[in-house]
Amino acid sequence: QVQLQESGPGLVKPSETLSLTCAVSGDSISNGDWWSWVRQSPGKGLEWIGEIHLHGTTNYNPSLKSRVTMSLDKSENQISLRLMSVTAADTAVYYCARAGGYKMDGWGKGTTVSVSS
Amino acid sequence: DIQMTQSPSSLSASVGDRVTITCRASQTITNSLNWYQQKSGKAPKLLISAASSLQSGVPSRFSGSGSGTDFTLTISSLQPEDFATYSCQQSYSIPYTFGQGTKVEIK
Repeated sequence: QVQLQESGPGLVKPSETLSLTCAVSGDSISNGDWWSWVRQSPGKGLEWIGEIHLHGTTNYNPSLKSRVTMSLDKSENQISLRLMSVTAADTAVYYCARAGGYKMDGWGKGTTVSVSS
Repeated sequence: DIQMTQSPSSLSASVGDRVTITCRASQTITNSLNWYQQKSGKAPKLLISAASSLQSGVPSRFSGSGSGTDFTLTISSLQPEDFATYSCQQSYSIPYTFGQGTKVEIK
């Protein structure tokens, strides 16, 4: 059974870059199709950030596209998220998920990121 | 973007009750609709994909129906472990979008 674990700094200063990593275990990321990032702001619903295919193709939410970069490292079996120029509105729990067949069927536990000076 | 609207936003029910949650899309999404369960402080869990396909390991008391713009998640007999927030998500077009969630609470 695939397991995902997000990691990264819990606190980021405004205008800086948020960088998160999602380590995948129990399966190779090369066996999946797409890998997604989703976030949830305090008390709010879920927001899809984007996805990356095992061959490197990406799709991003247009609302974040100018600030987002996703990548994957097959040798390390992990995916990464970078979000530039963060503001308080980017404070959220960030999840990575295995996505394939147009569904997200495996999720990490999430990592909380706060944006504050 | 396709807007997903759930109703109600919250409900109170008793163990054994039949519970129905509705999700409406702002445009047709055929059957490209997933349902997730999220317990407090936990990650979402996929329950149903493609509007009505129950995921492996999910109890049969959960069912989904609908197509086009209107969808329903039904819990036939609510169990204590079902108290959670349920969210729909369209996978028809990017950006994929979620409903605001329906919180199911104990009456």
